Amino acid sequence: AQSVTQPDIHITVSEGASLELRCNYSYGATPYLFWYVQSPGQGLQLLLKYFSGDTLVQGIKGFEAEFKRSQSSFNLRKPSVHWSDAAEYFCAVGASFQAGTALIFGKGTTLSVSS
Amino acid sequence: DAGVTQSPTHLIKTRGQQVTLRCSPKSGHDTVSWYQQALGQGPQFIFQYYEEEERQRGNFPDRFSGHQFPNYSSELNVNALLLGDSALYLCASSFLGGELFFGEGSRLTVL
Repeated sequence: AQSVTQPDIHITVSEGASLELRCNYSYGATPYLFWYVQSPGQGLQLLLKYFSGDTLVQGIKGFEAEFKRSQSSFNLRKPSVHWSDAAEYFCAVGASFQAGTALIFGKGTTLSVSS
Repeated sequence: DAGVTQSPTHLIKTRGQQVTLRCSPKSGHDTVSWYQQALGQGPQFIFQYYEEEERQRGNFPDRFSGHQFPNYSSELNVNALLLGDSALYLCASSFLGGELFFGEGSRLTVL
């Protein structure tokens, strides 16, 4: 069955510290992988995506993610967290990037940032 | 340029009632997808509309139906509401396989 697992429900990091959010997927075909962020009262915003090529992808707001096929993982990282990064983060997998693909989302990780 | 707009933002219904949620896609987009996000969960795909037809559907009962209009806007209808239908309903639009842009959602509470 196709699924996405985000093992950490809630993570707290200090402002300026590094961040890594974990994502593991189960998918029968070549996965198309995404990370989205959702702030309270707002919709989902795409941080970055991976389809093929370089397994380290750069996104917006200083985020990056690394695709590891052998571990079925697509972890999100940021070297220095800002208070404004506090939000809900979702990893998602899809069959393609074509209009018509349905994304499968994980349950999300809530990020809190302490001062 | 307005992004994806959804209405209403909040609504309360009672069990057995019917609800209609509306979505206007981002300018230039022709595809609309609907997702249900229950509290503490990730979004779940309901269905997608393109060229006024349902192109793909997730694992949702027939009580969930939709429509896309010639101007690409869309409606999500849910009949015979259940308590479990309480959720944030997200609309996302895209164009020719491009990035999905999400609206802020319609929060439905079923009492």
